[in-house]
Amino acid sequence: EPEVTQTPSHQVTQMGQEVILRCVPISNHLYFYWYRQILGQKVEFLVSFYNNEISEKSEIFDDQFSVERPDGSNFTLKIRSTKLEDSAMYFCASKMRGSSGANVLTFGAGSRLTVL
Amino acid sequence: AQTVTQSQPEMSVQEAETVTLSCTYDTSESDYYLFWYKQPPSRQMILVIRQEAYKQQNATENRFSVNFQKAAKSFSLKISDSQLGDAAMYFCAYNQGGKLIFGQGTELSVKP
Repeated sequence: EPEVTQTPSHQVTQMGQEVILRCVPISNHLYFYWYRQILGQKVEFLVSFYNNEISEKSEIFDDQFSVERPDGSNFTLKIRSTKLEDSAMYFCASKMRGSSGANVLTFGAGSRLTVL
Repeated sequence: AQTVTQSQPEMSVQEAETVTLSCTYDTSESDYYLFWYKQPPSRQMILVIRQEAYKQQNATENRFSVNFQKAAKSFSLKISDSQLGDAAMYFCAYNQGGKLIFGQGTELSVKP
């Protein structure tokens, strides 16, 4: 069964450092998402991406965050200068089509980010 | 804005018994989708079941079924014949314009 692949599975970084989290969505999917889950809390939407641009972003997704799809397969989340509160599990997800819930979101296994 | 509320932070069930996890939501839409996701200790998000609001029939997937009460905006998950592998965090979610809005989660433990 096709799956969404995320790397790294766990990254430890120093506060202020840049981090790039990588995702390979399912090949025929067109809509891509990043979600965040701080330990012990609910999963929160960060950003959605379609047709090589951001279609929606949350309040969490401030200027420190950026996303891109550099080569048609990878979908990356960059945190420019990490803060302690960025420590969380980051989930990439993709779906074939957009707004309808009929098209199920498939999640990756997550990338755990620890900021020291 | 749509909200999703899970009022049970923790639930416990005896193996082979049945347990129901509660979820309520708030929306002004008439057609939408609702989901239950399971998150085991690995923290992978696994789709358990989904329900289209337009359909009156409750969704069922093997031992998992929902009780969807549209007027009450309630969407509970029933797990029958609970197994040790069902132990996980369960999240209720509402589809809003393509993105999912999640509840706070219910941690389910299964006692042997």
